[in-house]
Amino acid sequence: GQNIDQPTEMTATEGAIVQINCTYQTSGFNGLFWYQQHAGEAPTFLSYNVLDGLEEKGRFSSFLSRSKGYSYLLLKELQMKDSASYLCALMDSNYQLIWGAGTKLIIKP
Amino acid sequence: GAVVSQHPSRVICKSGTSVKIECRSLDFQATTMFWYRQFPKKSLMLMATSNEGSKATYEQGVEKDKFLINHASLTLSTLTVTSAHPEDSSFYICGGTSGGALETQYFGPGTRLLVL
Repeated sequence: GQNIDQPTEMTATEGAIVQINCTYQTSGFNGLFWYQQHAGEAPTFLSYNVLDGLEEKGRFSSFLSRSKGYSYLLLKELQMKDSASYLCALMDSNYQLIWGAGTKLIIKP
Repeated sequence: GAVVSQHPSRVICKSGTSVKIECRSLDFQATTMFWYRQFPKKSLMLMATSNEGSKATYEQGVEKDKFLINHASLTLSTLTVTSAHPEDSSFYICGGTSGGALETQYFGPGTRLLVL
């Protein structure tokens, strides 16, 4: 079967670094997405990983290990505006998205 | 977490025909449902928001006569693409929440539409 897990909620301090993990089980894999969603808004695309390794985009980086079924989103120099839900989504062999439940990130001053 | 299903998962149709996409919340009552369109490796573009039993609220630039949304029950919303054209080819995703727009949304697996 297919399954995707991420923590429900995390808290971090402004200026710090936080890592949001996502683990998955799937029989087919066509990439892993990370989205940011502020309450009441549409999810915003952050990253797409299909090969192993780390992809860096400014303050945000995303890592993938296909053999371990594991990804993480790393946020550096946290700002208050980074308070949001972060969604991990796996694209399976049929190009369907399997969504994680999202991690609510709370940033404290 | 809550489960949302979509049907069909993929559809190919001829230009000028209409296509209906169903979105169902399987284990919760979705008082609010959202329809999104996704372009490759892009953010989801919100098309419309619908509350059960009410008319959908469309985002600016989305033609309500072309993209008909019905949310007749707390577990089912449908999106009908009328007189589809090749430029309507896209990945359509629905989301549902048991609360209002500020509550956690649960997303469906998406429907891939190809209009020939």
